[in-house]
Amino acid sequence: GAGVSQTPSNKVTEKGKYVELRCDPISGHTALYWYRQSLGQGPEFLIYFQGTGAADDSGLPNDRFFAVRPEGSVSTLKIQRTERGDSAMYLCASSSTPGLAGKYTQYFGPGTRLTVL
Amino acid sequence: AQSVAQPEDQVNVAEGNPLTVKCTYSVSGNPYLFWYVQYPNRGLQFLLKYITGDNLVKGSYGFEAEFNKSQTSFHLKKPSALVSDSALYFCAVRAATGGGNKLTFGTGTQLKVEL
Repeated sequence: GAGVSQTPSNKVTEKGKYVELRCDPISGHTALYWYRQSLGQGPEFLIYFQGTGAADDSGLPNDRFFAVRPEGSVSTLKIQRTERGDSAMYLCASSSTPGLAGKYTQYFGPGTRLTVL
Repeated sequence: AQSVAQPEDQVNVAEGNPLTVKCTYSVSGNPYLFWYVQYPNRGLQFLLKYITGDNLVKGSYGFEAEFNKSQTSFHLKKPSALVSDSALYFCAVRAATGGGNKLTFGTGTQLKVEL
């Protein structure tokens, strides 16, 4: 499996519940990104990790959203007290180490479709 | 702030004809530009990018794009369209320096190639 993987592929939850979305980047990629794509729109940036630390979290819409990457590989996006407006496709991407060829290309996973009822 | 405009929601072409999907951008400083394709209920698949150098870049599946700095455009082209090219296409931009690594995407253009 050489690509970015995301689990689950679909998640249905009820308003007010807590959800976790997982992203497993391409092996060796140090940069990891989360985006959110609403129906009929392009992806919108949420957060970017370089290694274990969040280098840019300016896209997180509010404090109900949080993401971690404790060992610099797998990342989890956490959403507390979900709202119907959180329903969207959540996309994860990774890119290689700065200084290497292709470092600017973000490779995307298949996404997790979140539905909040 | 950086932004991308894809002025056409949908482009229809006949198989075998050339296709163009338009993209213009706004960014501080030099841009890094990307095209991605998305099939239904799937993630984004990278097609090509412009970082520096030759303004005409070639990518996967016979696609190419031309960077035009004066017009701030990065239109996607293919000389001969295939039915299998039918999909949703996204243009994206990031600043070369100072803007962080985040991509800003357009709203997408649905390409429909008909027999």
